[in-house]
Amino acid sequence: GAVVSQHPSRVICKSGTSVKIECRSLDFQATTMFWYRQFPKKSLMLMATSNEGSKATYEQGVEKDKFLINHASLTLSTLTVTSAHPEDSSFYICSARDRLAGGNTDTQYFGPGTRLTVL
Amino acid sequence: GNSVTQMEGPVTLSEEAFLTINCTYTATGYPSLFWYVQYPGEGLQLLLKATKADDKGSNKGFEATYRKETTSFHLEKGSVQVSDSAVYFCALHSSGGYNKLIFGAGTRLAVHP
Repeated sequence: GAVVSQHPSRVICKSGTSVKIECRSLDFQATTMFWYRQFPKKSLMLMATSNEGSKATYEQGVEKDKFLINHASLTLSTLTVTSAHPEDSSFYICSARDRLAGGNTDTQYFGPGTRLTVL
Repeated sequence: GNSVTQMEGPVTLSEEAFLTINCTYTATGYPSLFWYVQYPGEGLQLLLKATKADDKGSNKGFEATYRKETTSFHLEKGSVQVSDSAVYFCALHSSGGYNKLIFGAGTRLAVHP
Protein backbone atom coordinates (compact mmCIF):
# COMPACT_ATOMS: atom_id res chain seq x y z
CA GLY A 1 0.00 0.00 0.00
CA ALA A 2 0.87 3.66 -0.22
CA VAL A 3 3.41 4.81 2.32
CA VAL A 4 4.04 8.26 3.72
CA SER A 5 7.14 8.94 5.76
CA GLN A 6 7.99 11.77 8.07
CA HIS A 7 11.38 12.93 9.21
CA PRO A 8 12.42 13.33 11.90
CA SER A 9 10.17 11.19 14.06
CA ARG A 10 11.22 13.10 17.14
CA VAL A 11 13.00 16.43 17.61
CA ILE A 12 13.99 18.51 20.61
CA CYS A 13 15.05 22.09 20.07
CA LYS A 14 15.75 25.26 22.00
CA SER A 15 13.30 28.10 22.13
CA GLY A 16 13.87 30.58 19.31
CA THR A 17 15.26 28.10 16.81
CA SER A 18 13.54 26.82 13.67
CA VAL A 19 12.69 23.23 12.95
CA LYS A 20 11.91 21.63 9.59
CA ILE A 21 9.75 18.52 9.28
CA GLU A 22 9.61 16.56 6.03
CA CYS A 23 6.69 14.59 4.67
CA ARG A 24 7.32 12.26 1.74
CA SER A 25 5.05 10.06 -0.32
CA LEU A 26 7.23 7.04 -1.06
CA ASP A 27 5.45 5.22 -3.86
CA PHE A 28 2.90 7.62 -5.23
CA GLN A 29 2.61 11.22 -6.32
CA ALA A 30 0.75 13.65 -4.11
CA THR A 31 -0.50 16.95 -5.48
CA THR A 32 -2.09 17.65 -2.12
CA MET A 33 -0.68 17.09 1.34
CA PHE A 34 -2.22 18.02 4.65
CA TRP A 35 -0.54 19.05 7.89
CA TYR A 36 -2.21 18.29 11.20
CA ARG A 37 -1.35 19.04 14.79
CA GLN A 38 -2.35 16.77 17.64
CA PHE A 39 -2.37 17.78 21.30
CA PRO A 40 -2.41 15.14 24.03
CA LYS A 41 -5.84 13.51 24.25
CA LYS A 42 -7.14 15.90 21.60
CA SER A 43 -8.29 15.67 18.03
CA LEU A 44 -6.08 16.01 15.02
CA MET A 45 -6.42 19.63 14.02
CA LEU A 46 -5.91 20.52 10.37
CA MET A 47 -3.36 23.29 10.12
CA ALA A 48 -3.00 23.72 6.38
CA THR A 49 -3.39 22.16 2.99
CA SER A 50 -0.29 22.05 0.88
CA ASN A 51 -0.63 22.04 -2.90
CA GLU A 52 2.29 21.21 -5.13
CA GLY A 53 3.64 24.27 -6.88
CA SER A 54 1.40 26.78 -5.13
CA LYS A 55 0.95 28.46 -1.79
CA ALA A 56 -0.47 26.53 1.09
CA THR A 57 -3.97 27.21 2.35
CA TYR A 58 -4.01 27.76 6.10
CA GLU A 59 -6.87 27.12 8.49
CA GLN A 60 -8.27 29.95 10.51
CA GLY A 61 -6.10 30.77 13.48
CA VAL A 62 -2.92 29.18 12.12
CA GLU A 63 -0.08 31.66 11.66
CA LYS A 64 1.32 31.20 8.18
CA ASP A 65 4.47 33.15 8.99
CA LYS A 66 5.18 30.84 11.89
CA PHE A 67 4.37 27.56 10.18
CA LEU A 68 5.98 27.74 6.77
CA ILE A 69 4.87 25.10 4.29
CA ASN A 70 6.64 24.28 1.05
CA HIS A 71 5.40 21.66 -1.40
CA ALA A 72 8.13 21.81 -3.99
CA SER A 73 7.60 18.42 -5.61
CA LEU A 74 4.94 15.76 -6.03
CA THR A 75 6.50 13.65 -3.30
CA LEU A 76 7.71 16.14 -0.70
CA SER A 77 6.15 18.75 1.54
CA THR A 78 7.97 20.46 4.39
CA LEU A 79 6.68 22.22 7.48
CA THR A 80 9.06 24.67 9.16
CA VAL A 81 8.23 25.87 12.63
CA THR A 82 9.98 29.22 12.86
CA SER A 83 11.20 30.76 16.11
CA ALA A 84 9.78 27.85 18.05
CA HIS A 85 8.41 28.33 21.55
CA PRO A 86 7.43 25.79 24.19
CA GLU A 87 3.76 26.19 23.25
CA ASP A 88 4.62 24.85 19.78
CA SER A 89 5.49 21.50 21.35
CA SER A 90 3.11 19.00 19.86
CA PHE A 91 2.69 16.00 17.59
CA TYR A 92 2.66 16.99 13.91
CA ILE A 93 1.15 14.59 11.38
CA CYS A 94 1.03 14.86 7.61
CA SER A 95 -1.12 13.09 5.09
CA ALA A 96 -0.91 12.86 1.32
CA ARG A 97 -3.58 12.42 -1.27
CA ASP A 98 -2.82 10.23 -4.25
CA ARG A 99 -2.76 12.33 -7.41
CA LEU A 100 -4.49 9.54 -9.31
CA ALA A 101 -7.30 9.14 -6.79
CA GLY A 102 -9.38 12.03 -8.05
CA GLY A 103 -11.98 13.23 -5.60
CA ASN A 104 -11.86 10.27 -3.21
CA THR A 105 -11.19 11.60 0.26
CA ASP A 106 -10.32 8.22 1.73
CA THR A 107 -7.17 8.08 -0.35
CA GLN A 108 -5.35 10.23 2.16
CA TYR A 109 -2.37 8.31 3.48
CA PHE A 110 -0.97 9.38 6.81
CA GLY A 111 2.59 9.65 8.03
CA PRO A 112 3.67 8.33 11.43
CA GLY A 113 3.98 11.80 12.93
CA THR A 114 6.76 13.95 14.38
CA ARG A 115 7.01 14.71 18.08
CA LEU A 116 8.36 18.24 18.58
CA THR A 117 9.54 19.35 22.00
CA VAL A 118 10.66 22.94 22.43
CA LEU A 119 12.69 23.63 25.57
CA GLY B 1 -19.70 24.17 12.47
CA ASN B 2 -18.90 20.55 11.74
CA SER B 3 -17.61 18.45 14.61
CA VAL B 4 -17.11 14.88 15.78
CA THR B 5 -17.50 13.60 19.32
CA GLN B 6 -16.35 10.18 20.37
CA MET B 7 -16.27 8.42 23.68
CA GLU B 8 -13.31 9.02 25.92
CA GLY B 9 -10.97 6.19 26.57
CA PRO B 10 -9.12 4.27 27.40
CA VAL B 11 -11.33 1.28 26.74
CA THR B 12 -9.93 -1.86 28.30
CA LEU B 13 -11.30 -5.24 27.26
CA SER B 14 -10.41 -8.87 27.52
CA GLU B 15 -9.74 -10.83 24.36
CA GLU B 16 -12.92 -11.99 22.58
CA ALA B 17 -15.05 -9.33 24.26
CA PHE B 18 -17.55 -7.21 22.31
CA LEU B 19 -16.41 -3.71 21.40
CA THR B 20 -18.40 -0.55 20.92
CA ILE B 21 -16.85 2.88 20.49
CA ASN B 22 -19.45 5.60 20.21
CA CYS B 23 -19.18 8.42 17.70
CA THR B 24 -21.62 11.21 17.00
CA TYR B 25 -21.28 14.10 14.62
CA THR B 26 -22.61 17.54 13.83
CA ALA B 27 -22.56 18.56 10.20
CA THR B 28 -24.42 20.47 7.58
CA GLY B 29 -25.36 18.60 4.47
CA TYR B 30 -24.48 14.95 4.02
CA PRO B 31 -20.94 14.20 5.14
CA SER B 32 -19.04 11.00 4.55
CA LEU B 33 -17.99 9.24 7.74
CA PHE B 34 -14.80 7.35 8.52
CA TRP B 35 -13.03 5.34 11.16
CA TYR B 36 -9.24 5.50 11.21
CA VAL B 37 -6.95 3.38 13.35
CA GLN B 38 -3.48 4.24 14.63
CA TYR B 39 -1.36 1.34 15.84
CA PRO B 40 1.55 2.11 18.15
CA GLY B 41 4.35 3.85 16.32
CA GLU B 42 2.49 3.98 13.02
CA GLY B 43 0.49 6.46 10.98
CA LEU B 44 -3.29 6.58 10.73
CA GLN B 45 -4.89 3.95 8.50
CA LEU B 46 -8.37 4.03 7.06
CA LEU B 47 -10.37 1.26 8.74
CA LEU B 48 -13.77 1.73 7.16
CA LYS B 49 -16.08 4.36 5.75
CA ALA B 50 -19.70 5.09 4.81
CA THR B 51 -20.80 7.74 2.38
CA LYS B 52 -24.57 7.94 2.87
CA ALA B 53 -27.29 7.25 5.39
CA ASP B 54 -27.84 3.59 6.33
CA ASP B 55 -24.58 2.54 4.67
CA LYS B 56 -22.57 0.04 6.68
CA GLY B 57 -18.81 0.13 6.48
CA SER B 58 -16.91 -3.01 7.43
CA ASN B 59 -13.32 -4.22 7.52
CA LYS B 60 -11.29 -6.72 9.58
CA GLY B 61 -14.37 -7.68 11.61
CA PHE B 62 -15.18 -4.06 12.48
CA GLU B 63 -18.49 -2.50 11.45
CA ALA B 64 -20.12 0.90 11.65
CA THR B 65 -23.50 2.05 10.32
CA TYR B 66 -24.21 5.61 9.20
CA ARG B 67 -27.28 6.64 11.22
CA LYS B 68 -28.55 10.00 10.06
CA GLU B 69 -31.49 10.06 12.47
CA THR B 70 -29.17 9.83 15.47
CA THR B 71 -26.16 11.45 13.74
CA SER B 72 -24.04 8.52 14.84
CA PHE B 73 -21.42 6.18 13.42
CA HIS B 74 -20.59 3.79 16.26
CA LEU B 75 -17.75 1.32 15.76
CA GLU B 76 -18.38 -2.31 16.73
CA LYS B 77 -16.54 -5.60 16.71
CA GLY B 78 -17.92 -8.86 17.95
CA SER B 79 -14.71 -10.36 19.29
CA VAL B 80 -11.61 -8.25 19.82
CA GLN B 81 -8.05 -9.50 19.73
CA VAL B 82 -4.92 -8.27 21.43
CA SER B 83 -3.74 -7.06 18.02
CA ASP B 84 -6.68 -4.64 17.89
CA SER B 85 -5.07 -2.54 20.62
CA ALA B 86 -4.70 0.91 19.05
CA VAL B 87 -6.19 4.39 18.98
CA TYR B 88 -9.38 4.73 16.93
CA PHE B 89 -10.45 8.01 15.35
CA CYS B 90 -13.87 8.84 14.01
CA ALA B 91 -13.87 11.45 11.25
CA LEU B 92 -16.12 13.18 8.79
CA HIS B 93 -15.49 14.72 5.44
CA SER B 94 -16.96 18.18 5.32
CA SER B 95 -18.86 18.93 2.19
CA GLY B 96 -17.54 21.80 0.16
CA GLY B 97 -13.95 22.95 0.24
CA TYR B 98 -11.08 20.63 -0.49
CA ASN B 99 -11.59 17.18 1.05
CA LYS B 100 -11.12 18.35 4.59
CA LEU B 101 -11.29 15.70 7.31
CA ILE B 102 -12.53 16.58 10.79
CA PHE B 103 -11.47 14.15 13.50
CA GLY B 104 -12.77 13.16 16.89
CA ALA B 105 -10.38 13.10 19.84
CA GLY B 106 -9.55 9.43 19.44
CA THR B 107 -10.29 6.49 21.71
CA ARG B 108 -7.53 4.25 22.96
CA LEU B 109 -8.40 0.56 23.06
CA ALA B 110 -6.34 -1.87 25.12
CA VAL B 111 -7.12 -5.57 24.76
CA HIS B 112 -5.67 -8.00 27.29
CA PRO B 113 -5.22 -11.76 26.84
